[in-house]
Amino acid sequence: GQSLEQPSEVTAVEGAIVQINCTYQTSGFYGLSWYQQHDGGAPTFLSYNGLDGLEETGRFSSFLSRSDSYGYLLLQELQMKDSASYFCAVNRNTPLVFGKGTRLSVIA
Amino acid sequence: NAGVTQTPKFQVLKTGQSMTLQCAQDMNHNSMYWYRQDPGMGLRLIYYSASEGTTDKGEVPNGYNVSRLNKREFSLRLESAAPSQTSVYFCASSPTGGDTEAFFGQGTRLTVV
Repeated sequence: GQSLEQPSEVTAVEGAIVQINCTYQTSGFYGLSWYQQHDGGAPTFLSYNGLDGLEETGRFSSFLSRSDSYGYLLLQELQMKDSASYFCAVNRNTPLVFGKGTRLSVIA
Repeated sequence: NAGVTQTPKFQVLKTGQSMTLQCAQDMNHNSMYWYRQDPGMGLRLIYYSASEGTTDKGEVPNGYNVSRLNKREFSLRLESAAPSQTSVYFCASSPTGGDTEAFFGQGTRLTVV
């Protein structure tokens, strides 16, 4: 089967940097994705890592280490609007398998 | 730019009633999915359709059926609703099954009383 582990909650201060970790166990691994979901909204795609290393998109970066079955999402210059749930998801040749999500609260 | 459209947005059912959740995408995607989301449980796959004419069970298929009506539409049916099926249901699509990005509809909030 597949399993993903990520922290359930994280709190950080506006303007700071926060890292959300994700460890996974799966077969047929293609890559790791990250999705953002605001309360009452739909998940939206943030980033994808198919290879080891860091991918940067504006204030958000994502990292993957295949050998460690580990990845993280890094959010810089936190803004209040970044308060949301963040899900890591394993990409395989079948549908995405999601972690249970990390609820990020950004405080002033 | 409609993307993935789900109807209805909200629904209240009595135990034992049936209903169909509708989903349509206008991106010419081959693959479509139904997930349910419960507090603290993340997104769990109910059924998916890798391509038109095929459907497969996901992690939590019991109590549900699906129909891939055509390439655009993928419906989810609850034949006899139970309180345990109270959840938020999301339809999603992607160009193919192994793609990097899935696009989600806005969700259907279903309450079974």
